[in-house]
Amino acid sequence: NAGVTQTPKFRILKIGQSMTLQCTQDMNHNYMYWYRQDPGMGLKLIYYSVGAGITDKGEVPNGYNVSRSTTEDFPLRLELAAPSQTSVYFCASSYTPGTVDEKLFFGSGTQLSVL
Amino acid sequence: LAKTTQPISMDSYEGQEVNITCSHNNIATNDYITWYQQFPSQGPRFIIQGYKTKVTNEVASLFIPADRKSSTLSLPRVSLSDTAVYYCLVGEDGQNFVFGPGTRLSVLP
Repeated sequence: NAGVTQTPKFRILKIGQSMTLQCTQDMNHNYMYWYRQDPGMGLKLIYYSVGAGITDKGEVPNGYNVSRSTTEDFPLRLELAAPSQTSVYFCASSYTPGTVDEKLFFGSGTQLSVL
Repeated sequence: LAKTTQPISMDSYEGQEVNITCSHNNIATNDYITWYQQFPSQGPRFIIQGYKTKVTNEVASLFIPADRKSSTLSLPRVSLSDTAVYYCLVGEDGQNFVFGPGTRLSVLP
């Protein structure tokens, strides 16, 4: 059982470039999330999705876009990369929040540097 | 969303029991309390979850008093490999899980 898989693990972008961070889960979770974590800080929510075709903004959505065409996949798109987007990005999934099964499962992260 | 407060950092020595307390005065009736562990360069990992009283698994224990306004994560006989950041999460904000800064535990030899 792979859980939550993120690719790539590392990436260096030049200012203004674009890229897509891939995330897929095989646990049939309806809820999926993208977080970013700056050095020494906690996680900040970028976008989340409650099911295929439904996405919504989190705390820090500016500069990012997401889509959710299937239950399994939740890609994060960076348009016009900026140095402020240098961070570690984590994808996560869960069953329905507010229930005993609400625990989050995280991927291993993508280390992104924008130079 | 119940705001949580936990110590920013703690130090311990190998073999000791470590207790990390999280305050959540505004916890709602249907909120669960969940603790996660994060090692450097890894995503957070679920440790334990509880609603009331005491929960124990192979990794930790979680103590929740009757008023549920706080909870204590107990790690028995810590080792160097328990050095990590520990997050307490209570409930969710709509469909969001909001992480605070967590408690940075350093286990010393």
